Amino acid sequence: AQSVAQPEDQVNVAEGNPLTVKCTYSVSGNPYLFWYVQYPNRGLQFLLKYITGDNLVKGSYGFEAEFNKSQTSFHLKKPSALVSDSALYFCAVITYNQGGKLIFGQGTELSVKP
Amino acid sequence: SAVISQKPSRDICQRGTSLTIQCQVDSQVTMMFWYRQQPGQSLTLIATANQGSEATYESGFVIDKFPISRPNLTFSTLTVSNMSPEDSSIYLCSAAGTEKSSYEQYFGPGTRLTVT
Repeated sequence: AQSVAQPEDQVNVAEGNPLTVKCTYSVSGNPYLFWYVQYPNRGLQFLLKYITGDNLVKGSYGFEAEFNKSQTSFHLKKPSALVSDSALYFCAVITYNQGGKLIFGQGTELSVKP
Repeated sequence: SAVISQKPSRDICQRGTSLTIQCQVDSQVTMMFWYRQQPGQSLTLIATANQGSEATYESGFVIDKFPISRPNLTFSTLTVSNMSPEDSSIYLCSAAGTEKSSYEQYFGPGTRLTVT
């Protein structure tokens, strides 16, 4: 069965420090991987995607993610965290033999303290 | 990106009644989906809304409870029927397959439903 795991329910970092939000996946076929962010009382916003090509992808708000096929991971990173980055982050995968349906991880609450 | 609006943004309903949520996309899209999310938790896919045909439901969701329409490539509705307090949740519409990208799904702001 296809699945996505975000092993940390919460990540706490100090403002200005680098942050990493972890994601691993298990799919059959080639994965298309995504990160979304959800601010309180808001819908999901698309951050970045990996479809093919360069394993390091850059997205909105200074975020980037690295696709690692051997480790089946797609960790989200940012070199210097901002307090405004505090939000709920979701990793998701599509396999197009599943009709384009997104499979979401359980989410990671990122808290950035001043 | 596609811009998606949902109506209503929130509602409080009595048990036994039904609520229809509307989802409008500002451009034609290939796929539309409906999700349910408990606050602070992950999203659960309810169904894929198919244009001109019956929706495809995920395990645990049935048409009688969650009838879905998709009359064209920019609009869909989800009805939550015969509501109970367990239906209290956030319902999100998403769309994918725009002219510029086949892959990203874009989400509406959600409809926060409370059933009393």
